[in-house]
Amino acid sequence: QVQLQESGPGLVRPSETLSLTCTVSGGSINSYYWSWIRQPPGKGLEWIGYIYYSGSTNYNPSLKNRVTMSVDTSKNQFSLKLTSVTAADTAVYYCARQGLLGVESSYYYYGMDVWGQGTTVTVSS
Amino acid sequence: DIQMTQSPSSLSASVGDRVTVTCRASQSISSFLNWYQEKPGKAPKLLIYAASSLQSGVPSRFSGSGSGTDFTLTISSLQPEDFATYYCQQSFSTPRTFGQGTKVEI
Repeated sequence: QVQLQESGPGLVRPSETLSLTCTVSGGSINSYYWSWIRQPPGKGLEWIGYIYYSGSTNYNPSLKNRVTMSVDTSKNQFSLKLTSVTAADTAVYYCARQGLLGVESSYYYYGMDVWGQGTTVTVSS
Repeated sequence: DIQMTQSPSSLSASVGDRVTVTCRASQSISSFLNWYQEKPGKAPKLLIYAASSLQSGVPSRFSGSGSGTDFTLTISSLQPEDFATYYCQQSFSTPRTFGQGTKVEI
């Protein structure tokens, strides 16, 4: 059974860079898209972006200039970097697998079917 | 970006009730709609994909319907473990977007 685990600092100073890693266990990182999602305290879910195992990426335009994702297939890990953080970036950060759940009439249906437990990142001096 | 709007934002229900949550997209997304359940302190869990397909392991009391811009999540008989927040999410285009959530309370 595939499991995901986020890791990284729980506290980041304003204007610095948030760095998180998601380790995939129980399965291969290959052939999947891998997403980052965040949830500010008391608020809803925001999709940050995804990375394919080959390294191609797709970022949310609202964060695009500050986000970089990377993948290390040899370690079965993928990572998130968010630069120039402010208090608005304080959130629970989740990594998730974007699985191909169904194909119908050449339409491909994706959903985030495996999630990490989430890690709280606080931006504060 | 495609905006997803859920209603209601919260509802109160009792065990055994039939519960319906609605999600509306700002443009047609065909059947590219997923539903998630989130409990406090836990990661979201995928319930429904492609608007009406039940994810493996999810109880059959959960069902989804709709296409285009209007979608519904139904819990046929609410169980104690179903008290949670439910989110819709479109997978039609990027950026992926979520509804604001519907909290189902006792």
